[in-house]
Amino acid sequence: DSGVTQTPKHLITATGQRVTLRCSPRSGDLSVYWYQQSLDQGLQFLIQYYNGEERAKGNILERFSAQQFPDLHSELNLSSLELGDSALYFCASSVDGVFGNTIYFGEGSWLTVV
Amino acid sequence: GNSVTQMEGPVTLSEEAFLTINCTYTATGYPSLFWYVQYPGEGLQLLLKATKADDKGSNKGFEATYRKETTSFHLEKGSVQVSDSAVYFCALSSNTGNQFYFGTGTSLTVIP
Repeated sequence: DSGVTQTPKHLITATGQRVTLRCSPRSGDLSVYWYQQSLDQGLQFLIQYYNGEERAKGNILERFSAQQFPDLHSELNLSSLELGDSALYFCASSVDGVFGNTIYFGEGSWLTVV
Repeated sequence: GNSVTQMEGPVTLSEEAFLTINCTYTATGYPSLFWYVQYPGEGLQLLLKATKADDKGSNKGFEATYRKETTSFHLEKGSVQVSDSAVYFCALSSNTGNQFYFGTGTSLTVIP
């Protein structure tokens, strides 16, 4: 158990809908990362937050947004969903987002868009 | 830019065989290098890491050495077990904000 908690574990929704994925980082970790894992694109970095502020942005679509709240939990919002958004979404956290520190992954949220 | 290239899978080995999974990287500056492992149905777990050139990371019989001259971080294990069957990801952490860049993953299956 990495200490990173993600909910829901599985989610099935229809095209055009909106979903929210939630992540609680490890106790004491200030930095949160979101990744998308799909069969054809591998593990793609979406976005990173540190202590409530956006720190880095990767291949995140405009239909997706995220935030980190004062209690350090984070949410990833996916809207106008398309079939191609079906993937495993991982949250990860690290102590302070400082170079070289290990990031710890949750077990992921499986999203299926039908 | 930063990127990681690792050998294509899948890899199938017999129990007790020697394992090598190649990983090379491109980075600006001096990254930290990691190997993560993903067992079926689980998230990624840190397997080992190395933070500077010539460092060797090791864990559970796996080893990898940070080679700056060849920009490589190959994963090795002398004798694999069935329980090592998983997907292995090589990754680097850039020295600008600790962004992680992952390889595409290499699936390993060990047969008895």
